[in-house]
Amino acid sequence: DQQVKQNSPSLSVQEGRISILNCDYTNSMFDYFLWYKKYPAEGPTFLISISSIKDKNEDGRFTVFLNKSAKHLSLHIVPSQPGDSAVYFCAASTREKLTFGTGTRLTIIP
Amino acid sequence: NAGVTQTPKFRVLKTGQSMTLLCAQDMNHEYMYWYRQDPGMGLRLIHYSVGEGTTAKGEVPDGYNVSRLKKQNFLLGLESAAPSQTSVYFCASSYKQAYGYTFGSGTRLTVV
Repeated sequence: DQQVKQNSPSLSVQEGRISILNCDYTNSMFDYFLWYKKYPAEGPTFLISISSIKDKNEDGRFTVFLNKSAKHLSLHIVPSQPGDSAVYFCAASTREKLTFGTGTRLTIIP
Repeated sequence: NAGVTQTPKFRVLKTGQSMTLLCAQDMNHEYMYWYRQDPGMGLRLIHYSVGEGTTAKGEVPDGYNVSRLKKQNFLLGLESAAPSQTSVYFCASSYKQAYGYTFGSGTRLTVV
């Protein structure tokens, strides 16, 4: 039972354009959401998070949007840079554990 | 500042062999976790610990055991390795439960 889903295994975006990564969840008990970025042969690193009481959080080029009624969150990267090429995992928290999505491999095309 | 260190980084086991993966953190975090990453499956929680001397089962605990004898260390054991345990294993720690994980760089385990 996959409670956190990332339906796009991969995404290619031109450098300088916007990258939009999507994540859907089914458990209404999730109250905190996070995005992690992972390079090959490294562990995931924290990127940005959002509480369920907010609908938007911004940090530099990265913005996360949360639509609770649709149980959907998205990560926007503007402008996309070559160093953004990585696997992105969304994660959702019940305050007891984090549940991760399956990941989306983002490739930025120069 | 090392953060979370996992040893070994790579290992090949034969079916039926046993091994222990070590995770060490130097951030004085209370919470520690073991995940496995498989293609198309994301990161799945194996076991976790909410403090020294405690352990709890995650989503996929079968075939694994853990121990947290010291606050800074979290050990993951495979008693009798099976090919289905071929995976990349990540350890993580956090100061607050289910928030702000710091991950190690992973252990790639192959069981033949």
